[in-house]
Amino acid sequence: DAGVTQSPTHLIKTRGQQVTLRCSPKSGHDTVSWYQQALGQGPQFIFQYYEEEERQRGNFPDRFSGHQFPNYSSELNVNALLLGDSALYLCASSLFEGRDTQYFGPGTRLTVL
Amino acid sequence: AQKVTQAQTEISVVEKEDVTLDCVYETRDTTYYLFWYKQPPSGELVFLIRRNSFDEQNEISGRYSWNFQKSTSSFNFTITASQVVDSAVYFCALSEALITGGGNKLTFGTGTQLKVEL
Repeated sequence: DAGVTQSPTHLIKTRGQQVTLRCSPKSGHDTVSWYQQALGQGPQFIFQYYEEEERQRGNFPDRFSGHQFPNYSSELNVNALLLGDSALYLCASSLFEGRDTQYFGPGTRLTVL
Repeated sequence: AQKVTQAQTEISVVEKEDVTLDCVYETRDTTYYLFWYKQPPSGELVFLIRRNSFDEQNEISGRYSWNFQKSTSSFNFTITASQVVDSAVYFCALSEALITGGGNKLTFGTGTQLKVEL
């Protein structure tokens, strides 16, 4: 049973560029959440998708956008990258029903130069 | 607003010692969930436990145990007879149960770095 997968593992971009990160949920899960974890900090909630709609959003600017596909996989897009966007981006999947436990993927390490 | 506080930034112990990681939370909701996750150096967050606000029974799983006390808004985690493989960052997290639109975001503490030495 495959767990949550994310791609790519690592990414290096320069300021002003755009980036797309991808996530495939654990088998049987229908909800995907994205978190940003800066070095030495706890993960911060970006947004959550269910039924291809954004269901909840954290305090992140509009530069951060997402999408969920019919197969439940998801993308996180960040435009106009800033140095401060350098972080580990974590994807978590869960079942929407019953506010199920979120299971995390290995993350994508984004470095903005 | 939800808040989770992990006051211990770093703890160092010698193998076989017991260690307790503290977690204090704030929420206005009467129904909520509490979690502990482990983050080894590889970076992936590993789920350890979930408790709902109506279940204050303490739980034990092998060398791990959790003490949930609503009266003090605390959800502490104890590792008995610690091992080097327990070295990791441990995060406590909180989610509300009832959100318009259905989202259940996790609010994390800043984590406690546990170092277990031989």
